Amino acid sequence: DIQMTQSPSSLSASVGDTVTISCRASQGISNSLAWIQQKPGKAPKSLIYLASKLQSGVPSKFSGSGSGTDFTLTISSLQPEDFATYYCQQYSRYPYTFGQGTKLEIK
Amino acid sequence: EVQLVESGGGLVQPGESLRLSCEVSGFTFNKYWMTWVRQAPGKGLEWVANIKQDGSETNYVDSVKGRFTISRDNTKNSLYLQMNSLRVEDTAIYYCARYAGAPEPWGQGTQVSVSS
Repeated sequence: DIQMTQSPSSLSASVGDTVTISCRASQGISNSLAWIQQKPGKAPKSLIYLASKLQSGVPSKFSGSGSGTDFTLTISSLQPEDFATYYCQQYSRYPYTFGQGTKLEIK
Repeated sequence: EVQLVESGGGLVQPGESLRLSCEVSGFTFNKYWMTWVRQAPGKGLEWVANIKQDGSETNYVDSVKGRFTISRDNTKNSLYLQMNSLRVEDTAIYYCARYAGAPEPWGQGTQVSVSS
């Protein structure tokens, strides 16, 4: 199975900051990567697919980059509603696998 | 408006069965792969299974192979997950999602608890 490793596991930031979350795949996955946001007690929501394409309705403050094994999610101008847990997911090979999550907290 | 509504969760004993349903509306169901993802209490997301538009291809995570069956009824705009021989470690919220490059949107989830 392809292992997805996110860093950091948790992150404290302030409103207005820009943050970057990393995701590394244990083998190459081309650009078959999604970024998913989950707020406490809520269903997940996909933000980005194919590593860098924004889902419809997702603000441009979210951006993704990378290919192969190394990927990043950047969130600019943090607002209170952005504090959540973020997951990467590869869909290059079965079984599809998620990273362990990065919890973004308010400093 | 695109909607996915799961149902069928509950509390069962180890070894018992449950059938989850996901009723969708607001999009052409038979044009999309569909997926089930679960989340154990306090844990991250785990992909469980997916199914092709016409049901001709299914894929599973190893831990549920031989016990769970994903299926769909395109005439009823519904996705299913038949779960047999349930184990304590299957306890989780189960989400269905449409798959179009990434799982989106997701349903609200249905709770499955397996305990003696």
